[in-house]
Amino acid sequence: AQSVTQPDIHITVSEGASLELRCNYSYGATPYLFWYVQSPGQGLQLLLKYFSGDTLVQGIKGFEAEFKRSQSSFNLRKPSVHWSDAAEYFCAVGPHGSSNTGKLIFGQGTTLQVKP
Amino acid sequence: KAGVTQTPRYLIKTRGQQVTLSCSPISGHRSVSWYQQTPGQGLQFLFEYFSETQRNKGNFPGRFSGRQFSNSRSEMNVSTLELGDSALYLCASSLGARWENTEAFFGQGTRLTVV
Repeated sequence: AQSVTQPDIHITVSEGASLELRCNYSYGATPYLFWYVQSPGQGLQLLLKYFSGDTLVQGIKGFEAEFKRSQSSFNLRKPSVHWSDAAEYFCAVGPHGSSNTGKLIFGQGTTLQVKP
Repeated sequence: KAGVTQTPRYLIKTRGQQVTLSCSPISGHRSVSWYQQTPGQGLQFLFEYFSETQRNKGNFPGRFSGRQFSNSRSEMNVSTLELGDSALYLCASSLGARWENTEAFFGQGTRLTVV
């Protein structure tokens, strides 16, 4: 079955420190991969996405993610975290096929806390 | 351009009642998907509508239904509400094409509390 795992439920980093959020997926082929961010009481905002090609993708707000097929991973990184990055982050898979249009499978999310 | 609009933002209902939530997608988007977000189950896909047709459905009971109108606005309905239906319901709109050619834009959600 298709699934997404975010091993870290909660992460705390100091402002200015680097960040890596982990995401592993289970899927028969290379899926469409996404990272979303959700601030309290808000909807989800797309940070970046991967479909094919260069395995290092750049997103908004200084985030990047690297696709590693051998590890079935799509980890999100940021070199220097700002206090405004505190939020919940979701990794998602978009399955292929006409029967899966409009459908995203989400991980459980990682809550990021930023210490001053 | 205007984003995805969900109304109402908050709802409180009693067990056994029914509820209708509304979603207005971004202009030009023909696909609307609905998700339920709870602390225990996370974000789960409910269904997707495209050009007034349900194209895809998640694993939810028949009490959860939806529809889409000719202007792409969508509604979802939950009948015979249960306490476990308390959740944030998110709507997402997209062009409805393959994921490499589109992306999902989410509304702020409707917070439903069942008492």
